[in-house]
Order: sequence, then structure tokens, then C-alpha cells
Amino acid sequence: DSGVTQTPKHLITATGQRVTLRCSPRSGDLSVYWYQQSLDQGLQFLIQYYNGEERAKGNILERFSAQQFPDLHSELNLSSLELGDSALYFCASSVGGGAFFGEQFFGPGTRLTVL
Amino acid sequence: EDKVVQSPLSLVVHEGDTVTLNCSYEVTNFRSLLWYKQEKKAPTFLFMLTSSGIEKKSGRLSSILDKKELFSILNITATQTGDSAVYLCAADNYGQNFVFGPGTRLSVLP
Repeated sequence: DSGVTQTPKHLITATGQRVTLRCSPRSGDLSVYWYQQSLDQGLQFLIQYYNGEERAKGNILERFSAQQFPDLHSELNLSSLELGDSALYFCASSVGGGAFFGEQFFGPGTRLTVL
Repeated sequence: EDKVVQSPLSLVVHEGDTVTLNCSYEVTNFRSLLWYKQEKKAPTFLFMLTSSGIEKKSGRLSSILDKKELFSILNITATQTGDSAVYLCAADNYGQNFVFGPGTRLSVLP
């Protein structure tokens, strides 16, 4: 158990809908990272927040957005969902968050299925 | 475009064998190379390499980085069935992006 929690574990929804994935980092970690893992694209970095501020942005679609709250939990919002958004979404956390990804601890993931 | 390539993509060995997994990268402003092990679900951290030629070791696993030739290797000696997993490498370009390779699926047979 990495200490990172994600909810829900599974999510089934329809195309065009909007969903919110939630992540609580390990105690003391200030950085949260979001990743998408699909069979055809592998593991892709989406976005990083450090202490409430966006720090780095990867291959995140404009339909997706994220935020980190004062209590350091983070939410990933996915809107106008398409079939291709079906994937496993991971959240990870780390202590630091500067220009150095470093060792990250991954949560168990949220499996999103878009029908 | 930043890119990380791993080889082989799949590998089947028997317990006790030694394996070498390869990772090459083309990343602007490269800073570090990381290795992760992914079993059933979430990746778990193995190594972070920032300097060339310095081997990092953890038990039967070791890894080294060559920043001149832009590659890293992960060695696993005396493999065990518990080493069966997907091994991912990822390159960090000074925190601007974090690019993963496709992974090497290792199967260790008893």
C-alpha cells in the first residue's frame, strides 16, 4: 500500500458525460501527478500540481482539467467523454515538486469505462 | 518529440536466469531516468538515475545510465517468479514532462 488513495475504483459512464476522479496523496506529500494508462498508448503523464499550483503539463487534452485543493487532495475532471478515454487513471504523489519528478508513489488507479 | 524506447518488449526466462532490459531515450533537456516495476496495478519505484556510469543497486536489481549514448539498462540476476512484471522506464526533462517507454513484459517461469 503506497499511502495514495483514489476514488472511485471503477467508473462506467456514457459518451458525452463528465466525471471527476479523486486522489488523496500520502501524508506529507505536496505534489500530485495524474497519469493515463491505456493499452494502445501506454502510460502517459497528464499533469502535476505542487502545493495547489500547476507545475507541469504533459499530454493532457483540453477536455480534461485538474486542481489541487488546500488540503492537498486533487481532482481530475474529464468532460465530453469519448470511447477512447477509457483507460486506467493513476494518481501519484511525491514530497517535492520542483523541476525534478523524482520518486513517486502511485495510487491503485481508477478504471474508467466509457460506453 | 520526446521519445523513450524499450527492448525487448517481451521476455520469457526461467528462474535463476539473469536478464538485461534496455531503455533508450531522446528527450530535450534530459535530467533523470527512472525505472518502475508494474505488477498487477500501480507502478512501484525502482531507481532514479541522473549521472552517467554510476551503478545503482537494490538486492538482485541494478541499473546504470549512459548519458552520452542516451540509454540505460536494468539488470536482474538470479530471477525469481516474483520478478514477473512489466518494467517501465521514464525520462524526466527538468520537470516539464515525464515520458514513459512502452515497457518490457518479463515472465519468469519456475
